[in-house]
Amino acid sequence: DAGVIQSPRHEVTEMGQEVTLRCKPISGHNSLFWYRQTMMRGLELLIYFNNNVPIDDSGMPEDRFSAKMPNASFSTLKIQPSEPRDSAVYFCASSLQGARNQPQHFGDGTRLSIL
Amino acid sequence: GNSVTQMEGPVTLSEEAFLTINCTYTATGYPSLFWYVQYPGEGLQLLLKATKADDKGSNKGFEATYRKETTSFHLEKGSVQVSDSAVYFCALSFSNDYKLSFGAGTTVTVRA
Repeated sequence: DAGVIQSPRHEVTEMGQEVTLRCKPISGHNSLFWYRQTMMRGLELLIYFNNNVPIDDSGMPEDRFSAKMPNASFSTLKIQPSEPRDSAVYFCASSLQGARNQPQHFGDGTRLSIL
Repeated sequence: GNSVTQMEGPVTLSEEAFLTINCTYTATGYPSLFWYVQYPGEGLQLLLKATKADDKGSNKGFEATYRKETTSFHLEKGSVQVSDSAVYFCALSFSNDYKLSFGAGTTVTVRA
């Protein structure tokens, strides 16, 4: 079975540019999560969707960050404009809500470097 | 609020040594508990889980027992291999809230 697929795996861009990260969750999963991982702050939950609807975006750091889930098989996380402090590894994860105690399945992440 | 505290790393071991990573939690009620592992360059993978008190989760030679009285879920492996070098995360969740609360992670390096 295909796992969570993220693209790109690596992104290097200059500050001020728009960055779009993409995620395809596991088919049939109805919850999707975006995380950011840095050495300083560890793993942070940015936003979580259930049935394509954003449920909790309290972790989104500021208005420069936005996330969408137009359908059950695709989500994007956008940063505009990007800043060097946004450099991190961004993970997408999915799970099956409604099935008790189901784990989250993570993609391999996008390593983002803002110069 | 809910939180997870893990022993700080990094932990460096020799092959075939015994590994313990301590994890304690603070939560209202009885959460499900998880250990995730992150190998270099990859995302987190579920290693094992336990959903109620006294449950023991096990996988790949790793074990952890849900201890309600000590609010702990310590990870153990009797004989580690170089391939066990990774970052290990303890986490909790409740069945009515699908968010995970993660610990800070413990980096384990196993030397041949």
